[in-house]
Amino acid sequence: AQTVTQSQPEMSVQEAETVTLSCTYDTSESDYYLFWYKQPPSRQMILVIRQEAYKQQNATENRFSVNFQKAAKSFSLKISDSQLGDAAMYFCASRKGAQKLVFGQGTRLTINP
Amino acid sequence: DAGITQSPRYKITETGRQVTLMCHQTWSHSYMFWYRQDLGHGLRLIYYSAAADITDKGEVPDGYVVSRSKTENFPLTLESATRSQTSVYFCASSVTPLGSLNTEAFFGQGTRLTVV
Repeated sequence: AQTVTQSQPEMSVQEAETVTLSCTYDTSESDYYLFWYKQPPSRQMILVIRQEAYKQQNATENRFSVNFQKAAKSFSLKISDSQLGDAAMYFCASRKGAQKLVFGQGTRLTINP
Repeated sequence: DAGITQSPRYKITETGRQVTLMCHQTWSHSYMFWYRQDLGHGLRLIYYSAAADITDKGEVPDGYVVSRSKTENFPLTLESATRSQTSVYFCASSVTPLGSLNTEAFFGQGTRLTVV
């Protein structure tokens, strides 16, 4: 079975600084996908970034990047130049093939002005 | 409007009552999902559906029933609501093109259900 663990219930960072959110996962599959979703107070789930497990290169989307360590089953999210609008719950998720998406418990990120 | 919509956004019901949460998507996505979000648990999968008339259990299916008679609709029914089912419920959909596994899920705005 797939499991996803986020060990940081809450994180805070000063505006304009960099923060890293941790995620570990467990899967027996060789082909899978990893995602980070953002959930602002509006409750809408927004895809931030995704990583294909077969790709060694870490995914990057503007200020968001991941550190994907396949052997360690680690998938952390780095947010550079943090902005007030980045404040939200962040969920790490994994997906085996075309089936269900499994989420971690979430990390609440606060941005301090 | 295109997208995925849930209704109602908020619902209060009494213990023992049946309640149905609606989910509608306009993309003709094959896959649809129901999750519940609870503090400390993240999002947990209740049921999912790969296509019309095909449904399967997720992580926490007890007390819930789903149906998928049409591709665009995926209602979730609580047959006899309990206080432990107080939660925020999210519906999601995704498409799986043939030969591609790189799919993201699109979420509705959630339904906050309170069982009193």
